Amino acid sequence: GAVVSQHPSRVICKSGTSVKIECRSLDFQATTMFWYRQFPKQSLMLMATSNEGSKATYEQGVEKDKFLINHASLTLSTLTVTSAHPEDSSFYICSAVGEDGTDTQYFGPGTRLTVL
Amino acid sequence: AQSVSQHNHHVILSEAASLELGCNYSYGGTVNLFWYVQYPGQHLQLLLKYFSGDPLVKGIKGFEAEFIKSKFSFNLRKPSVQWSDTAEYFCAVNEGGSTLGRLYFGRGTQLTVWP
Repeated sequence: GAVVSQHPSRVICKSGTSVKIECRSLDFQATTMFWYRQFPKQSLMLMATSNEGSKATYEQGVEKDKFLINHASLTLSTLTVTSAHPEDSSFYICSAVGEDGTDTQYFGPGTRLTVL
Repeated sequence: AQSVSQHNHHVILSEAASLELGCNYSYGGTVNLFWYVQYPGQHLQLLLKYFSGDPLVKGIKGFEAEFIKSKFSFNLRKPSVQWSDTAEYFCAVNEGGSTLGRLYFGRGTQLTVWP
C-alpha cells in the first residue's frame, strides 16, 4: 500500500518551454501532497505544499508563477515548470501524506528535468 | 525554522560491522521523526518513524533508532550491516501537531558497505 507514482520519470525540454509533472497516489487518497527539489548530493528542499481543492502553499524563495501547482483531485497533483531555464534542471520529487493519521509521507520515484 | 543535521556525509563499512548514523534537530517543541532510505536508482522509502511512546523505534530490515529528547537526537542503528544496505539515508523531522506536516530533511548520509 501507499504507492506514489510520478510521470514522466525523465524529461528533456528546450529553454522557454513549459513542462508538466504528474504525481499520483495509486492506492490511497491524499488531501495533501508535497513537491521537493533535490540537487546532486544534497538534501530534499521543500518547494510547496499542495492541498486538494485549494491553492498551494509555497516555501520562501519559490516563485509561484514559475512553479504552478494544481491539486485537482484526491489522487493527483501536477507541477508545471513554466518558461523553463537551464537552472531549473533538477530532480523533482513529490510525496503524499498517507491516510493513517500520522502525517507519514510516501514518496514518488522522482522526475529528472533537463532544460537545454 | 527547523534545521536537521546529519554529521556523517559518507560512511564506509565492511559487512557485519555495526552502524550508527547521527541525526540532530533544532526544534524545541514536540516533533515527529523519520528515517528514509534511498537505494541507488530508487525512490525514498520509509525506514522507521517516531511519533510518541517508546523512544526506541524498530523499523524494517533490522534498523532501529533512538529518540533522545534531551540531546535533540534521533540516531539510526543497525547491529550488523549487509552489502544490500548500501544507500543514502535521510533523517527528517516535522513539528508535531503541525497541520501542514512539512518535513525538514537532513542532507543525507551515503552508506557504502563492502562485501
